[in-house]
Amino acid sequence: GQQVMQIPQYQHVQEGEDFTTYCNSSTTLSNIQWYKQRPGGHPVFLIQLVKSGEVKKQKRLTFQFGEAKKNSSLHITATQTTDVGTYFCAGFKAAGNKLTFGGGTRVLVKP
Amino acid sequence: NAGVTQTPKFRVLKTGQSMTLLCAQDMNHEYMYWYRQDPGMGLRLIHYSVGEGTTAKGEVPDGYNVSRLKKQNFLLGLESAAPSQTSVYFCASNRASYFYEQYFGPGTRLTVT
Repeated sequence: GQQVMQIPQYQHVQEGEDFTTYCNSSTTLSNIQWYKQRPGGHPVFLIQLVKSGEVKKQKRLTFQFGEAKKNSSLHITATQTTDVGTYFCAGFKAAGNKLTFGGGTRVLVKP
Repeated sequence: NAGVTQTPKFRVLKTGQSMTLLCAQDMNHEYMYWYRQDPGMGLRLIHYSVGEGTTAKGEVPDGYNVSRLKKQNFLLGLESAAPSQTSVYFCASNRASYFYEQYFGPGTRLTVT
């Protein structure tokens, strides 16, 4: 079945540094969504990528969809304490009408 | 708009007891979903509904039942709770199909002893 893997599972980042989290699918995706969950909170939608090679930016966050539409990345520059939380990717495969969440990357920021 | 609300927020059950979790949305969304979240496991889909009166199984449906009698409400039932069902349960909704962003409720933390 469709699997979506995220690496790393945990990311300890010094405040001000950059980091990247990766999302890999075992199958080609129709689109990919990213969500952020603050500690004790619920997932909140960040962005959706649809086109092969698509790159979207939200302030310090840069999202990329791979050319083969099987992987995606989230890059955060100049990490702040407000970036703390778990980032999930979710891959959608239209053929099976199925959205599969990755296990998430939990981000901890050291001030 | 309240968005997606869930009741209760917390619950402790004994093994074998039953309960119903209620999800309500005021965005007139067609699709509604129930997920469970366990440490390190991400979000796993339990059941979903593509419209009033319809339900379908997700990835981990065993031990759960659902009903969607009204468009705005989606109920998740546990007939005989087991410790393996200790988890945080999230309800979500969206306009139509997985292509659109999902709006999540605040979650219900359930402990089964």
